[in-house]
Amino acid sequence: EAGVTQFPSHSVIEKGQTVTLRCDPISGHDNLYWYRRVMGKEIKFLLHFVKESKQDESGMPNNRFLAERTGGTYSTLKVQPAELEDSGVYFCASSQDVRDGYTFGSGTRLTVV
Amino acid sequence: EDKVVQSPLSLVVHEGDTVTLNCSYEVTNFRSLLWYKQEKKAPTFLFMLTSSGIEKKSGRLSSILDKKELSSILNITATQTGDSAIYLCAVGGSGGSNYKLTFGKGTLLTVNP
Repeated sequence: EAGVTQFPSHSVIEKGQTVTLRCDPISGHDNLYWYRRVMGKEIKFLLHFVKESKQDESGMPNNRFLAERTGGTYSTLKVQPAELEDSGVYFCASSQDVRDGYTFGSGTRLTVV
Repeated sequence: EDKVVQSPLSLVVHEGDTVTLNCSYEVTNFRSLLWYKQEKKAPTFLFMLTSSGIEKKSGRLSSILDKKELSSILNITATQTGDSAIYLCAVGGSGGSNYKLTFGKGTLLTVNP
C-alpha cells in the first residue's frame, strides 16, 4: 500500500508569505495527525482529524496556522503569514484506529527566511 | 505538562556491540509507549507497548515497559551499521484527543564498522 505522502518535501519562503503543506494519508485511514519538529526540540503534536472533523487542535501554535481536511481525505496545513519561528519539519501521520501506531510521512521541511 | 526523556542523547558504538536505549515519561492518562526509528526522513514504527513486563521482540530489537518505574528500554543486540538512526520514544495519553503522542528528543545511535 502507498504510505503517507507529503508535499512539498522542502519549502523556502520569506517572512510574511503564505505556505500550504499537503498530506495524503494512507487510503482508508480515518485518523490524520500533524506534528512539527523545530530545530533542537522534540516532535510536537499540532492537531488530530477524525475524517473531516478536528478532534483536537490544542497543539496549534496560533491563529496563523489553519488545517483543513475537506471530504476526509487529504489534509492541508496553511501558515499565513509565516514567521521565522515557524521553520521546522512538519510531519503528517495517519492511522486506521486511534489505538494503532501511526504511519508517518517523510515530512515537509519549511524554512522561513 | 506531559514529558518524555530519552537517554543517552547520542551513542557511538562498534558493529557487534549491544546497546540499551532508555525512555522515561510523565504523562496523565498513560495509554501506550511507542518506539520509532528515524533514518533519513519518516519515523518508522518499531513497537507499541501497553502492558508492563511483556517483552516485544523483532529480530535483534526488543523492548519492554515498566509502568511502575514509568520507563521503557529498547535493546539492540549485535548492532549493524544499518542500525544507525535516531530512535524516538513517544507516549500516548488521552488529553483532549484519544491518541496524542508526546515525543522525547530521541537518541542518535551511530554504529561504526
